[in-house]
Amino acid sequence: AQTVTQSQPEMSVQEAETVTLSCTYDTSESDYYLFWYKQPPSRQMILVIRQEAYKQQNATENRFSVNFQKAAKSFSLKISDSQLGDAAMYFCAYRSPLSGTGNQFYFGTGTSLTVIP
Amino acid sequence: DVKVTQSSRYLVKRTGEKVFLECVQDMDHENMFWYRQDPGLGLRLIYFSYDVKMKEKGDIPEGYSVSREKKERFSLILESASTNQTSMYLCASTPPRGSLHFGNGTRLTVT
Repeated sequence: AQTVTQSQPEMSVQEAETVTLSCTYDTSESDYYLFWYKQPPSRQMILVIRQEAYKQQNATENRFSVNFQKAAKSFSLKISDSQLGDAAMYFCAYRSPLSGTGNQFYFGTGTSLTVIP
Repeated sequence: DVKVTQSSRYLVKRTGEKVFLECVQDMDHENMFWYRQDPGLGLRLIYFSYDVKMKEKGDIPEGYSVSREKKERFSLILESASTNQTSMYLCASTPPRGSLHFGNGTRLTVT
């Protein structure tokens, strides 16, 4: 099974500053999908950004961007101009391209982000 | 808009009770998942289903079963609830190669 590692259990950032959350994964597959999910205290898990492994260009969504390093199996999330509403637990996830019984997501253990006013 | 609905936000049950957690999605997604979320452990997959009446064990299926009689509904069953099943339970659905859409979660306490 694939493994996803988030080595930073907790991070903090000053409001308006930039923070980077780390994620590494282990896989032998060449085609796959990577995601960052955000879970605020209200606990609804929300998709932040996704990256297809076959795309070399890093995905961006407004203030959120990723640094996808396929050879290094690294997928970090950068949050620019941090806002108080960014405070949440962030989960990195890997999705196999397989269908049927191989159709699974693998999650890291999460990084709790605090935004300091 | 995409919607995954879990029937209860909070649930308190007694040890030994049979517990049903219901999840309904309105997006015609083939794939549905049940996760358990505990502090420091992230999300652990209990069961998933890739089609009606099809189910696959995840990482921690012991003590749980599932039912998917209709495409839109995926139920998680705790046959005989135990205190170590006190947790947050998250349901999610996804189309092929898509991202997960999560419900609001059910906080289950077993006393």
